[in-house]
Amino acid sequence: SAVISQKPSRDICQRGTSLTIQCQVDSQVTMMFWYRQQPGQSLTLIATANQGSEATYESGFVIDKFPISRPNLTFSTLTVSNMSPEDSSIYLCSVGKRTGNGLVVSYEQYFGPGTRLTVT
Amino acid sequence: KNEVEQSPQNLTAQEGEFITINCSYSVGISALHWLQQHPGGGIVSLFMLSSGKKKHGRLIATINIQEKHSSLHITASHPRDSAVYICAVADSGGSNYKLTFGKGTLLTVNP
Repeated sequence: SAVISQKPSRDICQRGTSLTIQCQVDSQVTMMFWYRQQPGQSLTLIATANQGSEATYESGFVIDKFPISRPNLTFSTLTVSNMSPEDSSIYLCSVGKRTGNGLVVSYEQYFGPGTRLTVT
Repeated sequence: KNEVEQSPQNLTAQEGEFITINCSYSVGISALHWLQQHPGGGIVSLFMLSSGKKKHGRLIATINIQEKHSSLHITASHPRDSAVYICAVADSGGSNYKLTFGKGTLLTVNP
């Protein structure tokens, strides 16, 4: 398993500013993910952040808006830049731990407590 | 792209009742996850399944790969089970770490 903490747990920000969210894991993991959950919606993957490589962004998300750092195997940050009210969401980080052997490989995913962001 | 459908969207039960939440998906997967989200927003992973059935305490998850369907059962439900339950599927193939999420089922268990 993995225990994940996020900071801040919630914040209220002014439009046009930026917020950096931190994600700390209690063990070394290769795969980390950042998700967004807009009000009343399901989770959407923003990007995959593997240590030692650039983050891979999903369609609709760009590095200029959501820069990600992954300096080591236990830590990552997501910045929400130049915020607008549409960025009001819960942002979650998660980690993937590989399971299975041989031909069948799956990834257990463990989620952080989330950061509830409100942009006014 | 996989389409994940959950039913029901909302479910209200009395304490002690047996609960079933259903999940269907459209494309073959490598694994299916059941997640629990409490009002604060944090998510707890309940199960990861690729076949058969798993049980943890009062929770049981089953999956039928041929029918592309999974169910989450809660026996002897309790008010503390009140949460949003989310089904998520992992692609098969090279990107099998990516999850596609259902919209969730809001469960309210009344005392």
